[in-house]
Amino acid sequence: EPEVTQTPSHQVTQMGQEVILRCVPISNHLYFYWYRQILGQKVEFLVSFYNNEISEKSEIFDDQFSVERPDGSNFTLKIRSTKLEDSAMYFCASSRLANLETQYFGPGTRLLVL
Amino acid sequence: DQQVKQNSPSLSVQEGRISILNCDYTNSMFDYFLWYKKYPAEGPTFLISISSIKDKNEDGRFTVFLNKSAKHLSLHIVPSQPGDSAVYFCAASVTGTYKYIFGTGTRLKVLA
Repeated sequence: EPEVTQTPSHQVTQMGQEVILRCVPISNHLYFYWYRQILGQKVEFLVSFYNNEISEKSEIFDDQFSVERPDGSNFTLKIRSTKLEDSAMYFCASSRLANLETQYFGPGTRLLVL
Repeated sequence: DQQVKQNSPSLSVQEGRISILNCDYTNSMFDYFLWYKKYPAEGPTFLISISSIKDKNEDGRFTVFLNKSAKHLSLHIVPSQPGDSAVYFCAASVTGTYKYIFGTGTRLKVLA
């Protein structure tokens, strides 16, 4: 069964550094998302992306964040100048155009900012 | 701003019995709801969904009930199995947006 994959599984970075989290959505999916879950808290929506554009974003998704689909398979989340509070599990998800309501999640990248 | 609430952080059920997980929401604009299951170190896995035009949706051992007037939904798992032990999240959205608002999760433990 096809699944969303994410790399790396864990990332440790120093405060102020830039990180890029990578996702490979399911191949026939065209809508992509990033969510995050700070330890002990709920899963929070960050951004949705379709047709090379951001469709929606939350108030968390400020200028520090950007998303890109650099090629036909990858979907990336860049965090510029990371802060301690960016430490979280970041989940990528994707969905088919015919069934946008059902989002399939990747295993997540655990980001730790020191 | 807790638009989606799961008031029970944990639930223990004997194998073979029914598990009932509850979720309340405050935003009357929500019209699509999903349940996800999450194991440690994995991403959420889609379980079942329901649109606001329905009050029940069933898929195998999983049934979701929606009570719009009470702004309440529940997930029933019958019979519960040890492999069902996980954290269950409900999520809600407004049609036309795909920004899901998640609850805080309920940790289900099914005892053998």
